[in-house]
Parts: sequence; C-alpha cells; structure tokens
Amino acid sequence: EDQVTQSPEALRLQEGESSSLNCSYTVSGLRGLFWYRQDPGKGPEFLFTLYSAGEEKEKERLKATLTKKESFLHITAPKPEDSATYLCAVVWADKLIFGTGTRLQVFP
Amino acid sequence: DAGVIQSPRHEVTEMGQEVTLRCKPISGHDYLFWYRQTMMRGLELLIYFNNNVPIDDSGMPEDRFSAKMPNASFSTLKIQPSEPRDSAVYFCASSLPLPGSVDTQYFGPGTRLTVL
Repeated sequence: EDQVTQSPEALRLQEGESSSLNCSYTVSGLRGLFWYRQDPGKGPEFLFTLYSAGEEKEKERLKATLTKKESFLHITAPKPEDSATYLCAVVWADKLIFGTGTRLQVFP
Repeated sequence: DAGVIQSPRHEVTEMGQEVTLRCKPISGHDYLFWYRQTMMRGLELLIYFNNNVPIDDSGMPEDRFSAKMPNASFSTLKIQPSEPRDSAVYFCASSLPLPGSVDTQYFGPGTRLTVL
C-alpha cells in the first residue's frame, strides 16, 4: 500500500495562474512531512517541514499546509522559474518515504 | 559549507563491472543516507548510517550492493557486478539528529549511473 501519494503527476500553468499540489499520506501518528523542490539534473532542495495538523509555512509564492490526511502546496501567481518537480515525504520509522512528485511547468 | 559532495557526477560502465560511488556529507551531520531515483519508482532509500554505523539497509536491492562509511566525512556505495537495471541517479544526503523525528536532509547533486 502506497504511503505517500502525490497529485497531479504533472501540472501546466500559465504565469500568474495560482494552483495547488496535493500530497496524501496513510501513515498514522505523523511525525513530520517535508516538501522538496527538484530541478532537472539536481538533487532535491528543502522547502518546508510541517509537524502538526493546522500548521502552515510560507516562502515567497509558496505556502504549505497540513491536515491529518494530506498536505497542500499552494503556488500563488507562479513564475516560469517555479517550474520544477515538487516532492513530498513523510517520516516513517525514522526514515523519509517520498512520493513520486508533481512535475510543474509554468509558461510565460 | 560546500554542501554534500558526490563523485563522480556521471558514470558509464559495462555490465559486470564494479562501480563505486562516493559521498562526503556536510560537516557535523551525524546521519548519512543513500537514495536511488528512477522514473518508475521515484526516490527510494537504500541505506542509512548514524555516526558511521549502518542502521537500516532494508532498501538495498541485492547482495550486489554494499555501502560503507569508514569515517564521518566519507561514504561509498558499491555495486558489484553491475547490471543494466541498476541504471539510475544515486543521491547521497546528510542530516543532523532530531529526537523523535527526522531532521532536514540535505541532498548532494547525485551520480547518474548508466550500465550498458
């Protein structure tokens, strides 16, 4: 059973068109959820950590939120430089379990 | 800090050959992780170390894979013999300890391995 599921797999947005990426998880007793950004040919780059339902964190055009079943990464007025694959990961047994990511493309 | 350093960045080898990937973690980080990333399976944890000791190697796919961490500043992942299905991008990451949870893992640039 998949523990972390991300949707959609791919998302194409016009510059300025806000949207949200979803990360749903099935682990019980969540001890942390991470968001990473990955550019082609590079390693994942840390964005946010969320620990409890109701928690929110923001960075520039990105805002991450957390409920008991899922997390959202909201992108407000995206720019082409926001194009990347966004990965979420949950803490399970002292490890990170990653989703397969959402590939975001923002067109000018 | 220079971040996590991996070498080589690209490796092309022939089936049956031995491959050694190298990683230098961020200074002061107690945890070191080896991941493999493919289009089909995404990012998978292979093994991780705490204070140079292997803690969980349940993700290592076969006995052909081995990893060592002889000191706090160096780790290797070895594949012997290599097979075409081992072709992937291999990432090393490191982190500080965080009681009760997992601290932020910082990733290296990866090694793209192609086995012909």
